[in-house]
Formats: sequence, structure tokens, C-alpha cells
Amino acid sequence: AQTVTQSQPEMSVQEAETVTLSCTYDTSESDYYLFWYKQPPSRQMILVIRQEAYKQQNATENRFSVNFQKAAKSFSLKISDSQLGDAAMYFCAYRSAWSNYQLIWGAGTKLIIKP
Amino acid sequence: KAGVTQTPRYLIKTRGQQVTLSCSPISGHRSVSWYQQTPGQGLQFLFEYFSETQRNKGNFPGRFSGRQFSNSRSEMNVSTLELGDSALYLCASSGGGAADTQYFGPGTRLTVL
Repeated sequence: AQTVTQSQPEMSVQEAETVTLSCTYDTSESDYYLFWYKQPPSRQMILVIRQEAYKQQNATENRFSVNFQKAAKSFSLKISDSQLGDAAMYFCAYRSAWSNYQLIWGAGTKLIIKP
Repeated sequence: KAGVTQTPRYLIKTRGQQVTLSCSPISGHRSVSWYQQTPGQGLQFLFEYFSETQRNKGNFPGRFSGRQFSNSRSEMNVSTLELGDSALYLCASSGGGAADTQYFGPGTRLTVL
């Protein structure tokens, strides 16, 4: 069975600085998708970024980028120029490309932005 | 396009009652997945419906059930409520393919007293 681990329950960063959130996963599959979702206090789960395992190039979305290390089964999220609106719970999630399409979630990292 | 909508946003029930939650997916999406979020267990997959058929099911007791209608709207039912069913219930919709991203609704907060 696949598992996702986020080892940082909480992280804090000064506004305008850069922060990296860690995520590792375990799978025996070779084809899958990885996601970072953000859940602000409003509770709405918002997609931040996604990565296809077959792509070697790391995904980027404006200030958000990932460091995808397939061999190490690592998928970290880097947030550049942190803004107050980035404060939220961040969840890393895995989904198989072939079998069950459910998302398998990490425990989440609470990101605090210091003004 | 309108996003995923969930009704009601808040519910308070007592033990032993049953409850029905509703989810309307993004227009054109045929897959609806349900997740339970609690402080203790985190996010857990309940089930997924695609074209009115349950395609996948998580590890939850039979008290949790769902269905999907021909317009892709989905309902989730919990019977004989227990205190431990208090949670945020999230619905997500997608096109249904392996490569399709799931987009989430705002959730329904269920409190069981």
C-alpha cells in the first residue's frame, strides 16, 4: 500500500522569504501523480501544483515550485516570496495512474507567515 | 465555470440519527469522490462515483453509503450516527481519468452530539 509522509507538522517563515515543505512517499508503482493542496482557514482545499511521475522536469506555478526526486521518493514544495495569504495547511497527496484513483494524503504541514 | 458546491455547509445531529450530504460537481465532470477529514485520522477516502457507479471504496463501515445521479450530482448518507463521525466531509470532482485533477468543494462540517 502507498503511504505519504510529511514530517514537519508546522513551519514558519518571514514574509517575502522562501520556505520549503517536505514530503516523502512510498510506492512500488512507476507511474503516478503527486499533488500539493493548500487548505486555508476557510477549509476549501485548493490545488497548488501537480507533478506527473513520468516527467523529469519539476513543475512550477508562479511562486510555487517542486523538487521531485523519483528515486528518493521525495516531493518537496518551495514557496518563494512568501505572502500573508500563503498561511494555510499544506497537504501532499499521491494518486496511482493505474489502479484506485483515490488520493492518499500526508498529515499536513501548517505554514505560518510572520509579517 | 462554477466550482464544486456542497450542501449544507454545517450540520448538527445527535447520535443514532442519519444524515445526507450533497455535492454538485463542476459542469462536465463525471467523477465525484468523498473524503472524511478529522484531527485524529487526517484525510481519508470514503468512495468514488463515476457515471452513477461506485468505482472505488475506502475502508469505512457500511453505515457510510453514497450514490450518484445522472446529472453527476452525488449524495453521501451516514446512518446511525456515532460521535466519531464528527468531521469535515469533502467532495471532489474530476473528469474521471487517471490524469485528471480533483477539485474540491468547501466541505460540510458535521457535528454529532
